[in-house]
Formats: sequence, structure tokens, C-alpha cells
Amino acid sequence: QVQLQESGPGLVKPWEPLSLTCTVSGGSISGSYWSWIRQPPGKALEWIGYIYYSGSTNYNPSLKSRVTISIDTSKNQFSLKMTSLTAADTAVYYCARYSSSSVWYFDLWGRGTLVTVSS
Amino acid sequence: DIQMTQSPSSLSASVGDTVTITCRASQSISNYLNWYQQRPGEAPRLLIYAASTLQSGVPARFSGSGSGTDFTLTISSLQPEDFATYFCQQTYSTTFGQGTKVEIK
Repeated sequence: QVQLQESGPGLVKPWEPLSLTCTVSGGSISGSYWSWIRQPPGKALEWIGYIYYSGSTNYNPSLKSRVTISIDTSKNQFSLKMTSLTAADTAVYYCARYSSSSVWYFDLWGRGTLVTVSS
Repeated sequence: DIQMTQSPSSLSASVGDTVTITCRASQSISNYLNWYQQRPGEAPRLLIYAASTLQSGVPARFSGSGSGTDFTLTISSLQPEDFATYFCQQTYSTTFGQGTKVEIK
């Protein structure tokens, strides 16, 4: 079955950029929407943005100025780049598939990767 | 932003119990509400979408109801694998509830 796996650095220095990759296995990345979501310690999940396999994107307005999501269909991967990180960006970052039936939902998730912002 | 308030934040229950978790939206969201389960160390799992539609493969002891601003997730006959954290998500502008941790009594 389709599985998602996040990868990237676990520690990022303040004001440096973050780059994470989600690898989709067991199925094609084409034809679907893919998303990034994060959860700071002790806080609610926060949607970061999504990308369609064609490359069109939509971002959370509160993060839009610092976030770029891209996709590489040849590698079955999509990526998150976030700039100017602060301690407030410390969180578990999840990638997920964004699907719809009568409503939109996240029907497949990765296990998440913890990113700590600290000097 | 539409705020989602879940209650309780945690509860203790025994195997075989029926538990109910509520999620309240700060404005009407029709049936644009999903529920997820997250066990420690595992990926979150979609349980219910559109407030009451069971995702494929999810046991029938999970059910959802509600519309507008008030929603509930009910787990009937709690099983050992159901001890986890549950959270709701509204799909108008994609925000999540804080989560409800279901612990073993």
C-alpha cells in the first residue's frame, strides 16, 4: 500500500532554512494532492500547505511568506522549504496525502519527523 | 480563522466502555469535519470524514455525528488498540482541534 516517509535534519539553527522531503512509496505521486502539516509540542496540528502533482500550490496565509512546497514526480517525492526559522517552528512535521470525496481530508500520513530549532 | 475546541482534553476509560468526544467550531461549518486517530509513534489515521462517513477499513464501533458547529465522535465497546489521541479537523480553512487523549483507566 501507499506509504509516506519524511526525511530531513532534526536540528536547525535559528534564522537558517529548513528543507524536508517526503518520499511516496507503493504508489504514484501523480494524480494526487500532497500536503505538509506540523504540530508544535503541546499544541494543535497546523496545516502548512499543499501541492498538486502538476505543481500548483496553496499555502496557509500565516506561513505563506516563508514556505515553498515543490514536487519531483520522477523521484516520487515532494518537499518543504521554510525560511527564517525560530524556536516557534520547533515541531513534528508530517507529510500527508490530501484527498476528497464529499469533503477534503488527509487520508494517508507519514509518521512525522521532529525538527528542533536551536543554536 | 475558524477555531476548533475539543473536549475533554483527556479521559480515562476501560475496555468495553463507550466514549464520546466533542468538537465545537467557532462558526458553522456544515458537515465539513473530519476525525483522526493517532497512536504514539504512528502516523495519524483518518477515521471519519464529512462528520459521519466511516473511512474504508475503520471498525464500525467508531461513529461520528453533528452538523453546523457541534460534532461528536463516539467509540463503542472500546478496544485496547483504541487508546490513543483523537483530533478533529474542519475543512473550510483547515484547522485542527487540540486533541483528546483516551487513556486506560
